[in-house]
Amino acid sequence: AQKVTQAQTEISVVEKEDVTLDCVYETRDTTYYLFWYKQPPSGELVFLIRRNSFDEQNEISGRYSWNFQKSTSSFNFTITASQVVDSAVYFCALSGETSGSRLTFGEGTQLTVNP
Amino acid sequence: DAMVIQNPRYQVTQFGKPVTLSCSQTLNHNVMYWYQQKSSQAPKLLFHYYDKDFNNEADTPDNFQSRRPNTSFCFLDIRSPGLGDAAMYLCATSRGDYPLSTDTQYFGPGTRLTVL
Repeated sequence: AQKVTQAQTEISVVEKEDVTLDCVYETRDTTYYLFWYKQPPSGELVFLIRRNSFDEQNEISGRYSWNFQKSTSSFNFTITASQVVDSAVYFCALSGETSGSRLTFGEGTQLTVNP
Repeated sequence: DAMVIQNPRYQVTQFGKPVTLSCSQTLNHNVMYWYQQKSSQAPKLLFHYYDKDFNNEADTPDNFQSRRPNTSFCFLDIRSPGLGDAAMYLCATSRGDYPLSTDTQYFGPGTRLTVL
């Protein structure tokens, strides 16, 4: 069985602060994929990143960066110099060779960035 | 722009009155999914189509049905909505080159259903 844990239910920061959202996963698959999605108040789930289990390189995209560590089964997401527009619920998700594209979601982290 | 479209964005129905939500896609993806998302919860997969093959999740109530008349369109029918069915319904697609391919899912904007 697969499981994704996002221990932080809510995080509140002040604009320009850096913030890290934690994600820990469990899977028995050798090949698996990790995702982050953003859900703003409008409701749409916006795809941010996909990472496969064989690629542990960290990734940076503008103010966003992701740290994948297989040794600790974690795929953490950092927003640098946060902005009010970053306020949203962020979901970490997992799929694998035995589940195909079926996603196992974490419970989500509500991020509020205050001006 | 290629995208996943859901109509309507907001739907109000009465208790027990059938309702249909629609989803269309211009991505030409093989797989289409329907999720239910209640407040402060993660999305919950109801079912998905791999091409014309329908795959129901084990815990999806019989009250929920789906149709996929062609590649581009997929419908969610709620036969007798109850108060507990009020939620956001999200449609998603993925490429699906083969049945267990682990492709990225792309979501539509969702339909927020209210049951009076």
